[in-house]
This record gives sequence, C-alpha cells and structure tokens, in this order.
Amino acid sequence: QSVLTQPPSVSAAPGQKVTISCSGSSSNIGNNYVSWYQQLPGTAPKLLIYDNNKRPSGIPDRFSGSKSATSATLGITGLQTGDEAVYYCGTWDSSLSAVVFGGGTKLTVL
Amino acid sequence: EVQLLESGGGLVQPGGSLRLSCAASGFTFSNYAMSWVRQAPGKGLEWVSAISGSGGSTYFADSVKGRFTISRDNSKNTLYLQMDSLRAEDTAVYYCAKTVATIEKLDYWGQGTLVTVSS
Repeated sequence: QSVLTQPPSVSAAPGQKVTISCSGSSSNIGNNYVSWYQQLPGTAPKLLIYDNNKRPSGIPDRFSGSKSATSATLGITGLQTGDEAVYYCGTWDSSLSAVVFGGGTKLTVL
Repeated sequence: EVQLLESGGGLVQPGGSLRLSCAASGFTFSNYAMSWVRQAPGKGLEWVSAISGSGGSTYFADSVKGRFTISRDNSKNTLYLQMDSLRAEDTAVYYCAKTVATIEKLDYWGQGTLVTVSS
C-alpha cells in the first residue's frame, strides 16, 4: 500500500490529453514539492516534473504539473504512442522522514 | 554527461549480505546527495536510502532500517549500499539516483542492478 495514491491505469487516443492524479496528505504533498517520473518499458525512471510544475531541460511542454492542497496532477497533451509508460509521483514525507512514491499509473495510448 | 553505473547485484541466500556500488561521472559528485531506489519484479518504485553530499547525513526507509547501510567515497565518485540480513522481499532491481537540491528530486538514474534473494 503506497503512501501516495494514483489510479492504476488511464488511457486516451493519440493527440488527446490525459491527466494523472496523485493524492496524499499534509505530511507529504501538502507541505512538500512533488516530482513526476516516467518509466518506459524495460528502462529506468526519468524525471519529468519537479517542484510541482517545473520541467527539466529536454522535457517537452506537452508535460505539465500542478498541485492543490494535498493532491497533485500530471497533464500530458498531444498524446503519442511513445508516451506509453508507467508514471509515478513522488515527494518527501515529513512524518516518515522518507521519500515516498505513488503506486504508479500505466498510460495506454489507444 | 551524467552517468551512473550500478554493480554488485546477484543471487544471495536469505540472511546473506551483498554490497552494491554506483560509479558516478559527469558531475561534481560531492556536491549532491544520492539515493537508492528499488523496484521489485512487476511492482512500483520504493525509495530505500539517501545520503548527503558530505556523507554526514543518512536516511533509510523503515523496511531496511538496521539492515542496510549507505555510504559514499567522494574521492572515488562512488556510492555504496551494504545490505545485510537479506530477505526474499528485498528481491528487486536497485537503482542509484542523483538528487537535485533536495533528496526527493531524483534527476538522473542508473540502469539498475538486480538483487535476488533466494535459497
């Protein structure tokens, strides 16, 4: 059971938009920055979003992040088949003194 | 170019020990905290441990506290994870990751090394 809650799967058609939610509490998302990671099949995770809504260099602006209270959202527009991956949210949990991740959301581009 | 190369994984019996290494290059190693994150077969990510750039501060997940030790040799640009009293549930791919600013932001990851705990 993960500390952060994500939907197990989402799907959308190519070119469409999808959002992935990440729900936590005041000890984690509510008072700390959220990061998002993309894990393509058979590869290591890759940082997509940090500090709730910032993109590392090289990450296209099709990817966006937002946070409100104890929840965060990853948005992906202009979906491509290459976006099929598992997406994880992560943050620091002040009560656990630990990094915590969501269980992951598998994105299928139909 | 940042590169992280893990090594040391393999098959070990329950109760045994293993030491993982992560060789870093392409950045000033001592300036950044580093983390280990693991992923059991077919499962999600689980953060294991982190260490500050100087090595003076360490952090552990409750699941490994007292059994795993994290350390670093800044003269060799290498991160280590000493794993003792291994259990079947420690079976996973272990990734080392570089942090940016704070330890929950992991901006570069290695390719991972597989640890299998089985008799």
